[in-house]
Amino acid sequence: AQSVAQPEDQVNVAEGNPLTVKCTYSVSGNPYLFWYVQYPNRGLQFLLKYITGDNLVKGSYGFEAEFNKSQTSFHLKKPSALVSDSALYFCAVRVHNTDKLIFGTGTRLQVFP
Amino acid sequence: DAGVTQSPTHLIKTRGQQVTLRCSPKSGHDTVSWYQQALGQGPQFIFQYYEEEERQRGNFPDRFSGHQFPNYSSELNVNALLLGDSALYLCASSFGQGEKLFFGSGTQLSVL
Repeated sequence: AQSVAQPEDQVNVAEGNPLTVKCTYSVSGNPYLFWYVQYPNRGLQFLLKYITGDNLVKGSYGFEAEFNKSQTSFHLKKPSALVSDSALYFCAVRVHNTDKLIFGTGTRLQVFP
Repeated sequence: DAGVTQSPTHLIKTRGQQVTLRCSPKSGHDTVSWYQQALGQGPQFIFQYYEEEERQRGNFPDRFSGHQFPNYSSELNVNALLLGDSALYLCASSFGQGEKLFFGSGTQLSVL
């Protein structure tokens, strides 16, 4: 069965410092991986996706993610965190031959001034 | 350009009642998916509608049903509500088998 895991419930980082939000996946075949962000009282917003190609994927708001096949990871990164980046981040994998996304349990990112 | 809109934003029901949630997709989108997000959890796929038919379904009981109208809007119906149905219900739209989903802000359902 396909799944994603987000091992950290919360990540704290100071503004201006780099941030990493971790995600590992378990799929058969090539993975389709996504990151979404959820702000309070809002729906999820698409950040970026990995389908194939370069292992470093660039997305919205300065975020990027690194796909690592040997470690089955897809960590979200940003070189310099902003207070406004504070939100709930979800990693997701698409089930093959469907549009169904399987989400992780989410990681709350807190950026302190 | 309006994004995905959902109504109502909040709803309170009692056990055993029935509820209908509504979703209008983003302009130009023809596919609607519904997700349930319990407190502290990631969204879970309920089902997807395309061309007015249920195309895919997650592991949810038959109490959960839906409909898609010719204008691509959609409804989610839940019968015989249980306390465990309390959650944020998210609607997402895409064009065809799109890789990028656009989510609405959700309907917060509380079952007492």
